[in-house]
Amino acid sequence: QKEVEQDPGPLSVPEGAIVSLNCTYSNSAFQYFMWYRQYSRKGPELLMYTYSSGNKEDGRFTAQVDKSSKYISLFIRDSQPSDSATYLCATPYGNKLVFGAGTILRVKS
Amino acid sequence: DVKVTQSSRYLVKRTGEKVFLECVQDMDHENMFWYRQDPGLGLRLIYFSYDVKMKEKGDIPEGYSVSREKKERFSLILESASTNQTSMYLCASRPRRQQAYGYTFGSGTRLTVV
Repeated sequence: QKEVEQDPGPLSVPEGAIVSLNCTYSNSAFQYFMWYRQYSRKGPELLMYTYSSGNKEDGRFTAQVDKSSKYISLFIRDSQPSDSATYLCATPYGNKLVFGAGTILRVKS
Repeated sequence: DVKVTQSSRYLVKRTGEKVFLECVQDMDHENMFWYRQDPGLGLRLIYFSYDVKMKEKGDIPEGYSVSREKKERFSLILESASTNQTSMYLCASRPRRQQAYGYTFGSGTRLTVV
């Protein structure tokens, strides 16, 4: 079992839709959770990070962590074609980042 | 604008060749990392370095080695390239004290071994 599980998609939605991206994890020791966005032919860029259970909002993006069920989510409101990218959940553990497989998101205009 | 620069965007090498992937960062970060990214598997850590001449194995070090002679440069070496090393290779750096969120990634090197 991978430490962080993420459905690779692809997920295709119309412009303006609400997008829900999800990951589950197995290790209760994981404390911080990040979402990275990776455009084609680019490296991952940090989008959001959270520490505690609950929601964190940044513009159209909301990160949600439920430590009791080991479930993390990223919601994108009013999705735009420019949001088309691969979204990776990640958590630091020791000296490394542990990544999910990444979900490919396509927002159609 | 802070940067992690990988010297090649695309590389095509033959089986058995020795391959060098170079990474340079201009942020004076202590820690540097090499990941490979494959569809459905996400990013997996190959090696990391926490100081000059220091290195530690990651999750998938077999077939790879690294070199860090200067703080800003971290090289990944494929001693004898094989087709199963065809992948996207990503370099990253972070400050020693920002373990959670201080990572900066390069744009990647897409290596094809034929």
